[in-house]
Amino acid sequence: DIQMTQSPSSLSASVGDRITITCRAGQSINMYLNWYQHKPGKAPKLLIYTASSLQSGVPSRFTGSGSGTDFTLTITSLQPEDFATYFCLQSYIIPWTFGQGTKVEIK
Amino acid sequence: EVQLVESGGGLVQPGGSLRLSCAASGFTFSSYWMHWVRQPPGKGLMWISRINHDGTSTIHADSVKGRFTISRDNAKNTLYLQMISLRAEDTAVYYCTRDYDPGGIDYWGQGALVTVSS
Repeated sequence: DIQMTQSPSSLSASVGDRITITCRAGQSINMYLNWYQHKPGKAPKLLIYTASSLQSGVPSRFTGSGSGTDFTLTITSLQPEDFATYFCLQSYIIPWTFGQGTKVEIK
Repeated sequence: EVQLVESGGGLVQPGGSLRLSCAASGFTFSSYWMHWVRQPPGKGLMWISRINHDGTSTIHADSVKGRFTISRDNAKNTLYLQMISLRAEDTAVYYCTRDYDPGGIDYWGQGALVTVSS
């Protein structure tokens, strides 16, 4: 199985901050990396697919980059509704595997 | 609007069985591959099973192979997960998800809690 190492596991930030979350794959996964936002009691929401493509309807302050083994999700100018847990998913090889998640909290 | 609504979760004793259902709406269900994903309490997400659009091809994670079976009824727009020989470690929120052609998953349900305990 491909191990996905996501960091940090949590972070505190203020409205307006820029934050970066990373996922590192145990082997190359090409561009098959998605990013999701998850709020308690709600369905996870797709933000970025194939590493850098912005899902329709997602604000442009969310950007994804990377390929191969190293990937980054950046949120510029954090908004109050962005406080949530973020996780990555590799869909290059079954079994698909997930990062452990990053909880973004209000400082 | 795409909606995936899971049902059938609950408390079951070790060794017992349970069937989860996922009612799909807002899209042409029969055109999409589907997956089940679970998240044990306080732990990370784990992919469990995938089924192709017409149900002729399925694959399961090693940890559930032989105990869990994914299936679908396209006439009813419903995805299923039959679980037998349940163990405490199967306790988790189970998510019904839709496959996304560029890669991965695009839509998730809100999840159904399965608790395996005596």
